[in-house]
Amino acid sequence: GQNIDQPTEMTATEGAIVQINCTYQTSGFNGLFWYQQHAGEAPTFLSYNVLDGLEEKGRFSSFLSRSKGYSYLLLKELQMKDSASYLCAVMDSNYQLIWGAGTKLIIKP
Amino acid sequence: IAGITQAPTSQILAAGRRMTLRCTQDMRHNAMYWYRQDLGLGLRLIHYSNTAGTTGKGEVPDGYSVSRANTDDFPLTLASAVPSQTSVYFCASSEGDNQPQHFGDGTRLSIL
Repeated sequence: GQNIDQPTEMTATEGAIVQINCTYQTSGFNGLFWYQQHAGEAPTFLSYNVLDGLEEKGRFSSFLSRSKGYSYLLLKELQMKDSASYLCAVMDSNYQLIWGAGTKLIIKP
Repeated sequence: IAGITQAPTSQILAAGRRMTLRCTQDMRHNAMYWYRQDLGLGLRLIHYSNTAGTTGKGEVPDGYSVSRANTDDFPLTLASAVPSQTSVYFCASSEGDNQPQHFGDGTRLSIL
């Protein structure tokens, strides 16, 4: 079966750095996406990785290792507005997204 | 402002009733999707459409139907609603394979 695992909840301090991990087992791989979802709102696209390595986009970076079935999202200089759920999703061999349940990130002052 | 519009925003529905959730996009995206989101679970794909005139079944299609008469509209119909269909429903669109999906604001549906 297909499976995406990410921690249910994480807590971090304003101004700090946090790493949210995602491991996956899917039938085929055509890229990995990270989305942010604030409570009661729609998911919004953050990043896309299809090759191994680190993609940096401002305060957010995403890393992929295809051989390990592993990705992480790194958030630097945390702000209170970063409190949200972060969703990991893998595009399988049929080009359909398989979604993790999301990691709820709580930022404390 | 370009994007995806879903209607209604929320709805309470009696079991057994028929309901159509509307989704319209103005980005001229080829692909459109319907997901449901339940607490503790990832988004689950109900139906999708790669282009106007075609549709396909996702992970949880039972009890739902869709149509794609044109590029912009992708309605989702519950023929006879059941309480297990209580959920938040998101419509999304993308330019195609490997492209990010853009989401509407969702429809919160309660079946009593």
